[in-house]
Amino acid sequence: DSGVTQTPKHLITATGQRVTLRCSPRSGDLSVYWYQQSLDQGLQFLIQYYNGEERAKGNILERFSAQQFPDLHSELNLSSLELGDSALYFCASRRDRKNSPLHFGNGTRLTVT
Amino acid sequence: AQRVTQPEKLLSVFKGAPVELKCNYSYSGSPELFWYVQYSRQRLQLLLRHISRESIKGFTADLNKGETSFHLKKPFAQEEDSAMYYCALRAGSQGNLIFGKGTKLSVKP
Repeated sequence: DSGVTQTPKHLITATGQRVTLRCSPRSGDLSVYWYQQSLDQGLQFLIQYYNGEERAKGNILERFSAQQFPDLHSELNLSSLELGDSALYFCASRRDRKNSPLHFGNGTRLTVT
Repeated sequence: AQRVTQPEKLLSVFKGAPVELKCNYSYSGSPELFWYVQYSRQRLQLLLRHISRESIKGFTADLNKGETSFHLKKPFAQEEDSAMYYCALRAGSQGNLIFGKGTKLSVKP
């Protein structure tokens, strides 16, 4: 158990819909990262938050957005869903120290039909 | 640009055989490198990081700055080692990791 909690485990929805994925980081970790894992693209970094502020952006579509709340949990919002958004979405957290690794949650498996 | 290359998509070996999973990186500064393992599309678990120079589950990895490599090795593969292995690079002050495409290790009995 990494200590990073993600809900829900699975999500099945239709094209055009909007979903929210939730992540609680490990106790004491201020940074949260979101990654998308698809079969053809591998692991793609989406976005990072640190103590409520957006810190870095990766390959995140405009239809996607995220935020980190004062209690440090984070939500990833995916809207106008397309079939190609079907993937595993991972959240990770880390201590802000040099050489500290990312600790990943169990992921949310999103299926868009 | 920072990049991680894992040249083998699939590596198949027999139980007891040595294993080497290749990882090359592209980064001009001082890198932080990690190996993660993923069993059956579950969460990614940290296996090794270059700074610790430890052996986990019999795996070791050495950073070779001259060859910009961080290959993962195990002298005797076990069936339970079958999984996806990802090499990852942290470049600069940003905290996010850049992942390679992964290598699927299959250990046959």
